[in-house]
Amino acid sequence: GENVEQHPSTLSVQEGDSAVIKCTYSDSASNYFPWYKQELGKRPQLIIDIRSNVGEKKDQRIAVTLNKTAKHFSLHITETQPEDSAVYFCGGGGSNYKLTFGKGTLLTVNP
Amino acid sequence: NAGVTQTPKFQVLKTGQSMTLQCAQDMNHEYMSWYRQDPGMGLRLIHYSVGAGITDQGEVPNGYNVSRSTTEDFPLRLLSAAPSQTSVYFCASTPTPHGQPQHFGDGTRLSIL
Repeated sequence: GENVEQHPSTLSVQEGDSAVIKCTYSDSASNYFPWYKQELGKRPQLIIDIRSNVGEKKDQRIAVTLNKTAKHFSLHITETQPEDSAVYFCGGGGSNYKLTFGKGTLLTVNP
Repeated sequence: NAGVTQTPKFQVLKTGQSMTLQCAQDMNHEYMSWYRQDPGMGLRLIHYSVGAGITDQGEVPNGYNVSRSTTEDFPLRLLSAAPSQTSVYFCASTPTPHGQPQHFGDGTRLSIL
């Protein structure tokens, strides 16, 4: 089955800096890669996703890049704000009804 | 449109007790799934269903049963609770698992003593 690894497990940045979280996947048949943000005690919420026929996708301060050859994808957050502080999860799947998640990255944005 | 509704929000059980976690969605989504979330472990798939009457196992199915008699409901049953099942449980739904985002419920925080 699919195996998704996520790094780093914790990330601390200063407000205004950029943050990058990286994930690798193992199943070359995976074609859907979402990113979720989870605030403390809340449900995971989708912030951006990318499909395997696209190399990059942007939504305001958030972007995701996908390298199918290397089987890795990354989340980029620019101009970070304290409200960006949360746990971020990457996911991979779409080929066999299963979505596998990474173990999460705790992002802390210091004012 | 309530989305995905999970009940209860909190529950404390004793070892050996049984209970059912409820999950309902009103978006007419075919695909529903249950995850457990433990510190440092991310979200792990327990069971999933691709439609009414069809269920299958995920990554960590042992100790859990599911059924899907209607499109709307997907209950998760713990037959004999164990302390290792202490976790936060999330139910999710999506119109199709092939390239569509999953909508999560608010979760059930379960403690087994």
